[in-house]
Amino acid sequence: GENVEQHPSTLSVQEGDSAVIKCTYSDSASNYFPWYKQELGKGPQLIIDIRSNVGEKKDQRIAVTLNKTAKHFSLHITETQPEDSAVYFCAAGGYRDDKIIFGKGTRLHILP
Amino acid sequence: NAGVTQTPKFRVLKTGQSMTLLCAQDMNHEYMYWYRQDPGMGLRLIHYSVGEGTTAKGEVPDGYNVSRLKKQNFLLGLESAAPSQTSVYFCASSRDSNYGYTFGSGTRLTVV
Repeated sequence: GENVEQHPSTLSVQEGDSAVIKCTYSDSASNYFPWYKQELGKGPQLIIDIRSNVGEKKDQRIAVTLNKTAKHFSLHITETQPEDSAVYFCAAGGYRDDKIIFGKGTRLHILP
Repeated sequence: NAGVTQTPKFRVLKTGQSMTLLCAQDMNHEYMYWYRQDPGMGLRLIHYSVGEGTTAKGEVPDGYNVSRLKKQNFLLGLESAAPSQTSVYFCASSRDSNYGYTFGSGTRLTVV
């Protein structure tokens, strides 16, 4: 089955700098890669996703890139702000699967 | 449009007691999922459903049962609660497995 590895587990970034979180997946049949943000005391919220027919997707300060050959995808947050502090989860899934597989999460701290 | 609603939000149980967690969604989603999240841990899938009347085991199903009698509701039951089941429980729904999940706000369960 699919296995998703996420790195780093913790990331501290100065406010205004960029943050990058990386994930790798094992199943070459996976074709859907969402990212979730979980703020303290809340449920995870979908912030951006990408499908395998696209190499990059942007939404304001966040972007996701996908390298199908290497089977890895990354979340990029530019001009980080205090409200970006949260836990971020990557995930991978395919049309043959009943569920997506989550990475173990990255705790992002934005330092003042 | 409420999205995914979980009840109750908090509960304290004594060891051996039973309870049912309710998840309700108003988005006409086919797929529904129950996860548990322990401190500093990621999301672990307990059970899921791909449609009304169906259920399937996830990664950590022992000690839990589920039912999906109506499309909009997914119930998680604990027959005999144990301290190891102290956790935050999240429900999620999706139109299918290859689309983003909408999560509820969680149920914080403590078993003493």
